[in-house]
Amino acid sequence: DIQMTQSPSSVSASVGDRVTITCRASQGISSWLAWYQQKPGKAPKLLIYAASSLQSGVPSRFSGSGSGTDFTLTISSLQPEDFATYYCQQANSFPPTFGQGTKLEIK
Amino acid sequence: EVQLLESGGGLVQPGGSLRLSCAASGFTFSSYAMSWVRQAPGKGLEWVSAISGSGGSTYYADSVKGRFTISRDNSKNTLYLQMNSLRAEDTAVYYCAKASVSSITMIVVVSDYWGQGTLVTVSS
Repeated sequence: DIQMTQSPSSVSASVGDRVTITCRASQGISSWLAWYQQKPGKAPKLLIYAASSLQSGVPSRFSGSGSGTDFTLTISSLQPEDFATYYCQQANSFPPTFGQGTKLEIK
Repeated sequence: EVQLLESGGGLVQPGGSLRLSCAASGFTFSSYAMSWVRQAPGKGLEWVSAISGSGGSTYYADSVKGRFTISRDNSKNTLYLQMNSLRAEDTAVYYCAKASVSSITMIVVVSDYWGQGTLVTVSS
């Protein structure tokens, strides 16, 4: 199975900050990577697919980059509604695996 | 509007069985692969199983292979997960999720719509 490792596991930031979350795959996955946002008690929400494509309706302050084994999710200017947990998911091969999550907290 | 509504969760004893259902609406159900993803209390997301739009292809996580069966009834726009030989470690919120791209045969595991989840608790 492909292991997905996110860093950091948690981060504290302020409204207006730029935040970057990293996801590393244990083997190359081309651009088969998605990013999700999850708020407490809610289902995950798709933000980014194919490593860098913005899902319809997602604000443009979210962006993704990377290919192969190293990927990043960047939030250019944090808004209050962005404080949540973020997960990467590889979709290159079965079983599709998720990173352990990055909790974005208010500083 | 796409809607996914899970049901069938509850409390079950170890070794018992449950059948989860996911009623779908707002899209052409048979054109999309569907997945089940679970989340244990306080933990991260774990993919469980997926099925192609036609129902002809299925995949399972090793942790549930041989115990869980995914299926779908395209005439009823409903996805199922039959869970047998349940263990304490199967305790989780189970989400059904719709593939982000339509394909009758290919299984796309990136999901653009998710249900609200149904809680399965395995305990004596």
